Amino acid sequence: GESVGLHLPTLSVQEGDNSIINCAYSNSASDYFIWYKQESGKGPQFIIDIRSNMDKRQGQRVTVLLNKTVKHLSLQIAATQPGDSAVYFCADLMGGKLIFGQGTELSVKP
Amino acid sequence: ETGVTQTPRHLVMGMTNKKSLKCEQHLGHNAMYWYKQSAKKPLELMFVYNFKEQTENNSVPSRFSPECPNSSHLFLHLHTLQPEDSALYLCASSQETQGVTGELFFGEGSRLTVL
Repeated sequence: GESVGLHLPTLSVQEGDNSIINCAYSNSASDYFIWYKQESGKGPQFIIDIRSNMDKRQGQRVTVLLNKTVKHLSLQIAATQPGDSAVYFCADLMGGKLIFGQGTELSVKP
Repeated sequence: ETGVTQTPRHLVMGMTNKKSLKCEQHLGHNAMYWYKQSAKKPLELMFVYNFKEQTENNSVPSRFSPECPNSSHLFLHLHTLQPEDSALYLCASSQETQGVTGELFFGEGSRLTVL
């Protein structure tokens, strides 16, 4: 069956360093991917998305990379800040439904 | 503020109680969703409504009963729940279910504890 998974459930980084959060997906027909951020006590919030006809997309301090060959997605956060501490989910869109991965909890050490 | 408001934020109920969760979106969207978020598990899609019509029921037990009176409001009626139903219930909305972007706007969730 279809699945979306993250490589590590937790990630700890030093403030100011770059963070890389990884995600693998199983459905080669997936054509749209989204990263969400969920802070404690809040619902998930959209960060950035990417379509399968792209391999890289940049936002403000965030970059998403898509490798369709190995069905791998990554979120890079530049100059990680304490406010980036949250759980990060990748999701792929198939048949009008978003399928979410399990999430990686990012902790930022001062 | 995401434009999606959920009440109550916290709910404790016994297994024989009947309660309801409410969601309201102020974004003018046409599709609304219920998701269940349990610890250490991915978000699970429960129900989808598009233009007030239910378009998805993801094999959810009948003790969960959704209601969508209009495109802005969504309810989840709860009765005779089990302790394993304790979770965060998230409501979301989007412009349409087959939307080009697929972006969902989530509320902050209702934390449910079943005793």
